[in-house]
Amino acid sequence: GENVEQHPSTLSVQEGDSAVIKCTYSDSASNYFPWYKQELGKGPQLIIDIRSNVGEKKDQRIAVTLNKTAKHFSLHITETQPEDSAVYFCAASIGGSARQLTFGSGTQLTVLP
Amino acid sequence: SQTIHQWPATLVQPVGSPLSLECTVEGTSNPNLYWYRQAAGRGLQLLFYSIGIDQISSEVPQNLSASRPQDRQFILSSKKLLLSDSGFYLCAWRRGRDTGELFFGEGSRLTVL
Repeated sequence: GENVEQHPSTLSVQEGDSAVIKCTYSDSASNYFPWYKQELGKGPQLIIDIRSNVGEKKDQRIAVTLNKTAKHFSLHITETQPEDSAVYFCAASIGGSARQLTFGSGTQLTVLP
Repeated sequence: SQTIHQWPATLVQPVGSPLSLECTVEGTSNPNLYWYRQAAGRGLQLLFYSIGIDQISSEVPQNLSASRPQDRQFILSSKKLLLSDSGFYLCAWRRGRDTGELFFGEGSRLTVL
């Protein structure tokens, strides 16, 4: 089955700096890659996703890049703010199916004021 | 708008006692429903999913069971809890076909002593 590795497990950045979280996946058939943000005491919430027919997607300060050949994808947050502090999860699946959605182990991002 | 409710938010139970976690979705009909477990420092593991009333699929063998007695109600149960059942349990839903964004509840933290 699919295996998703996520790094780093913890990340601290100064407010205003950029943050990058990286994930690798093992199943070349995976074609849907969402990122979820989980704030303390809450359930995860989708922040951005990408499908394998594109290499990059942006939404304001958040961007995701995908390298299908190398089987890795990354989340980029620019101009970080304290409210960006949370746990971020990457995931991979075939066709967006939740039954085949494999999550990474999460990254605790802390933005220092 | 659609909302998802999970309760209880926290639960401390002795080993061997029963468990019932409840999840309800409002504002939509015939959702796909999911139960996930989140262990510390690990990703989200899919436990059960349901595409309709009384239609439950189990993803991993375990001490837990799930039921869907009504369209928008999903229940996670156990007859006898084990120490290893401790964790953070998340209910989620998504529309129609098994693709697209997952909407998570706020989770239930279970501690088995």
